Order: sequence, then C-alpha cells, then structure tokens
Amino acid sequence: GESVGLHLPTLSVQEGDNSIINCAYSNSASDYFIWYKQESGKGPQFIIDIRSNMDKRQGQRVTVLLNKTVKHLSLQIAATQPGDSAVYFCAENILTGGGNKLTFGTGTQLKVEL
Amino acid sequence: DGGITQSPKYLFRKEGQNVTLSCEQNLNHDAMYWYRQDPGQGLRLIYYSQIVNDFQKGDIAEGYSVSREKKESFPLTVTSAQKNPTAFYLCASRETEKVYQPQHFGDGTRLSIL
Repeated sequence: GESVGLHLPTLSVQEGDNSIINCAYSNSASDYFIWYKQESGKGPQFIIDIRSNMDKRQGQRVTVLLNKTVKHLSLQIAATQPGDSAVYFCAENILTGGGNKLTFGTGTQLKVEL
Repeated sequence: DGGITQSPKYLFRKEGQNVTLSCEQNLNHDAMYWYRQDPGQGLRLIYYSQIVNDFQKGDIAEGYSVSREKKESFPLTVTSAQKNPTAFYLCASRETEKVYQPQHFGDGTRLSIL
C-alpha cells in the first residue's frame, strides 16, 4: 500500500545550525502535506503545510520544500534552538469519499546539542 | 482558549473491561479523528467523523467503537475485544469549510493494562 516514510530516524545538530528533515511519500494522488512537531508526552503540533501545486513555503524559521518529481518533502529549520528538540512527522493528505485522510510517517527525532 | 481536551491523561484497563476516552473540542470543527500511536511509530487512524451522527472506520477500527452525538464530543471506547490496547491515543479535529486545513491535536491519553 501507499506509505509515507522518513529517511533518518534520528538527527543531531548543534545549536545555531540549520536542520533538514526529509520525508518520502509514494502516493501520487496526495495533494496536501503537513509537518508536525511532537514533544514527549504531548500531541503533535502543527508547524507548516504545503499544497501539491507549490514547491516551497516559508514560515517563521521553517521552510518546507516539495519535489513532486521524486515524491520528496523536506523541512528546514533555521538556527536550530534547544526548544526544537522533538520528533517531527510528515503527513500526506488524500481526499477520499469519506473525506480528507492523513497518512503519517514514522517520525524523525531531532536532538539539539548545546 | 480554543482547543482540544482529552481526558484522562492516564488510564488503566483491567482484563475484559471496556474503557472510554474522552475528547472535547471548542474549535467549532465538524471533523474529528482518533489515532493510536505506538512507541517509535507514526499515527494510525482508528475512526473519524465528518459530521454529527456519522462516523467511518479507519485503518485499525477492530476492537474500538465511537459515537458522535454532539459536534464538540467524540468519545472512543476501547473494548475487551482489543487484545493489545496499550498505546498513546490521540484525538484531532479539523475545519471542513476549506479543503486544505490541518488537523489539530489534543495532548493524548496513555492507556495501559493492569
């Protein structure tokens, strides 16, 4: 079946460096993608999203890039801070007869070293 | 503040017992979702509801039941038929007036077996 997966299960970066978290998706019908941040013991928190008709979208310190040719999504975090330490999930949205459904990747643990 | 409230935060179930997890939202969202998260894994969809008095099975609905009698509430019952219920359960909701809207999550209920 179709799935969303992440290339790197754990990413360690130095404080102040930029972080790049990658995600591969396999369903060409996916039309909307979302990045979530999950801290320990809490629910996922929305970070940024992008529609399939866009290649890039920027937020505050975060940028999402979408490459539909190779079905690849990335999240870039600028000037990574200790508070960015968390698990990051990408999710792909598919519109079905039952409504919008999200499929989540397994997540990448981001560790920020001081 | 608007948000999604899940209760209780921790729940213990005895063998053969049904337990109900609460999810309440005051975001005026039509769509609500229940996910299960196991350690080191992504979220898997249990049930979802696009509108009051209607709900659909997700990918892993066996052993679970839901109701949607009010727009604000979407309780999940973990029945005795669910043989491996230990997990972190997450509730989410989404605005449906626009197609491309992210799901927003509560802070979860952790269910364990006694």
